[in-house]
Amino acid sequence: SAVISQKPSRDICQRGTSLTIQCQVDSQVTMMFWYRQQPGQSLTLIATANQGSEATYESGFVIDKFPISRPNLTFSTLTVSNMSPEDSSIYLCSVGTGQLNGYTFGSGTRLTVV
Amino acid sequence: AQTVTQSQPEMSVQEAETVTLSCTYDTSESDYYLFWYKQPPSRQMILVIRQEAYKQQNATENRFSVNFQKAAKSFSLKISDSQLGDAAMYFCAYETGNTPLVFGKGTRLSVIA
Repeated sequence: SAVISQKPSRDICQRGTSLTIQCQVDSQVTMMFWYRQQPGQSLTLIATANQGSEATYESGFVIDKFPISRPNLTFSTLTVSNMSPEDSSIYLCSVGTGQLNGYTFGSGTRLTVV
Repeated sequence: AQTVTQSQPEMSVQEAETVTLSCTYDTSESDYYLFWYKQPPSRQMILVIRQEAYKQQNATENRFSVNFQKAAKSFSLKISDSQLGDAAMYFCAYETGNTPLVFGKGTRLSVIA
C-alpha cells in the first residue's frame, strides 16, 4: 500500500495566521482526501482533492477557509486560514489504494491555535 | 446518506480476554466495503481488518475477526487474546466505490493488565 509523508506533525499557531499542511505520497494516486479530527471526536471529511481540478468540499467547509492544492498525482497541501482556537484539531490526509487495501492515512498534524 | 453507528463510546477488557466492538451501518447500496481502523495515541490510523459486502465469509486477521451480518447491517469486531498494545480508539468505516470513507464515532478500548 501507499506510504504518505505528512508535515508538520504538530504546530502551535497564533490566531489570525495560516498554516499549510503537506502530504507527499510515494506513488501516484487519483484522489486524496483531507479530514479533520476534533479532540475526542471521529474523522470528518473536509474535501476531496483531485489532480487538475478544484477540490470538492463537504458541507460546512469552504475554500476560503481551507484552500487545497493538488499540483500533481503525488502531492497535496491543505491550508488552514485565519485560524481561531476552534480550528485546533488533528488534520489528516488519506489516499485510496484500491478497495481491497483500504485507505492509507498520513500520520496527522496536531494543530493548536492560541 | 450512509451512516455508521458505534454505540459503545468506551469498552474495557482484561488482558488475554476477548472483547467485541459493535458497529451498525445504514445504506441502500448492495456492494460496499467495511473497515475497522485502530488509532493509538500516536494518532496514526491503522487498518485492522476489511470486509467486502459480497463475501459471506467473515474476515479474519490473526487475533482480529468480524461478524458480518449483511441483512442486519451489522459489522462487529472481535479481538481475541487482548494485549496491552490493543488499547486505542477503534473506528468502524464504510465505503462504496471510490468514495471517501464514512466513519463511526469510535470506541475507546482500554486493556487492563
